[in-house]
Amino acid sequence: GNSVTQMEGPVTLSEEAFLTINCTYTATGYPSLFWYVQYPGEGLQLLLKATKADDKGSNKGFEATYRKETTSFHLEKGSVQVSDSAVYFCAPYNTDKLIFGTGTRLQVFP
Amino acid sequence: GAGVSQSPSNKVTEKGKDVELRCDPISGHTALYWYRQRLGQGLEFLIYFQGNSAPDKSGLPSDRFSAERTGESVSTLTIQRTQQEDSAVYLCASSFAGVSMYEQFFGPGTRLTVL
Repeated sequence: GNSVTQMEGPVTLSEEAFLTINCTYTATGYPSLFWYVQYPGEGLQLLLKATKADDKGSNKGFEATYRKETTSFHLEKGSVQVSDSAVYFCAPYNTDKLIFGTGTRLQVFP
Repeated sequence: GAGVSQSPSNKVTEKGKDVELRCDPISGHTALYWYRQRLGQGLEFLIYFQGNSAPDKSGLPSDRFSAERTGESVSTLTIQRTQQEDSAVYLCASSFAGVSMYEQFFGPGTRLTVL
């Protein structure tokens, strides 16, 4: 069946460090791929998306590239800020629904 | 309002009681989803409504769970004879249409605690 595997958290970084959160998936066909973020005390919100192979989604300094050959959609940011502390969810869209990973908590310290 | 709203924000109930959770989607959004998030776990899809089509109920964990939606507006998720394992945050999301190009907008969730 469809599933998502994310790296386990928490990921703890110092401000301005480089971030990678790995995400791999199994799905039927070639789904659109999403990263959602949940900031403390707030609801889930879309961070970025990619709809076809080799597309790169980007927003707020975050990037992720749709890699069909490795069925991956790793999230990266070159220089994290304290305000990036949140839980990040990888989610392919398949058969009318999002399939969410378990989420990865990111903690950034000054 | 501008976003998806859910009520109540918190619900504490006793095992065996029925509960109703409400979701008000963004006006004009034809697609509505319910998810469950247990502590330390990812979001589980529960049910999906798209316009007047029959809902996709494939994620409902048991027949104690049901949901309704009136047209393209409010939805209620009902859990009958609640069990402790039903304790979770229940999230509602809506989108302009049930296709991947449209972002799902999430509500703040209802935290359900079954004692």
